[in-house]
Amino acid sequence: GQQLNQSPQSMFIQEGEDVSMNCTSSSIFNTWLWYKQDPGEGPVLLIALYKAGELTSNGRLTAQFGITRKDSFLNISASIPSDVGIYFCAGLNYGGSQGNLIFGKGTKLSVKP
Amino acid sequence: GAVVSQHPSWVICKSGTSVKIECRSLDFQATTMFWYRQFPKQSLMLMATSNEGSKATYEQGVEKDKFLINHASLTLSTLTVTSAHPEDSSFYICSARADHRANEKLFFGSGTQLSVL
Repeated sequence: GQQLNQSPQSMFIQEGEDVSMNCTSSSIFNTWLWYKQDPGEGPVLLIALYKAGELTSNGRLTAQFGITRKDSFLNISASIPSDVGIYFCAGLNYGGSQGNLIFGKGTKLSVKP
Repeated sequence: GAVVSQHPSWVICKSGTSVKIECRSLDFQATTMFWYRQFPKQSLMLMATSNEGSKATYEQGVEKDKFLINHASLTLSTLTVTSAHPEDSSFYICSARADHRANEKLFFGSGTQLSVL
C-alpha cells in the first residue's frame, strides 16, 4: 500500500529559527495536507494543497505540493514556543476508500533546552 | 471552524470490560465519520469508516466484532471496544467530514486515551 516517509522524525528548535520538514511517497497523491497535533489532542489542519507545484502560506507556515505529486514540504519561519508539537503530513486520493488519508509518522518539534 | 467533540477524554478500565467512546459533530451534519487509532510516537491508523444509517467499513486487520461502531444519527458515532484487553490500550481519535465532496475537510476530535488494566 501507499506509504509516506516523513523527515525528520524529531527536531529541536530555538525561538526565532526557521524549521523545515518534508514528506515523500512512492506513489502520487491528489491532495497533500499538513496537520499539527498537541499532546492529548486530535490533529488540527494547518494547510491543504490541491495542485502540483502549489505553494500555500498560512501565517508563518508555508507548504508546497511537489510537482511530481510525490512529495511535499512544510516550512515554519521565525519559530515561537507554541510551535512545539507533532506535525503530520497526509496524502489523499479521491476515488478510493472514503477515509483514504494516509498519514506520515510525524515530526516532533521540541524547544532546545 | 467546525467542531467535533469526543468523549471521554480518557478512560481506565479493567480487562474484559467494554468501553464506549462517543464522537459528535457539534455544528454540522456528518454523514461520514472515521475512527483512528494512534500508538505512542506513531501515526494515526484508520480503523473504520462510519456511515450514518449503514454498517461501518473496517480496514484490513481490524476486528469488527471487537470494535463495534454505530452511526445512528448525522451528528453522533460511537465506538465500543468490547472485552477490552491491555493490548487495546491506545489513543483513539475520531474525525468527521463536513463536506461530502471533500475528504480533506475532516475535523478531528480531541481523542480518547484508553488504558486497560
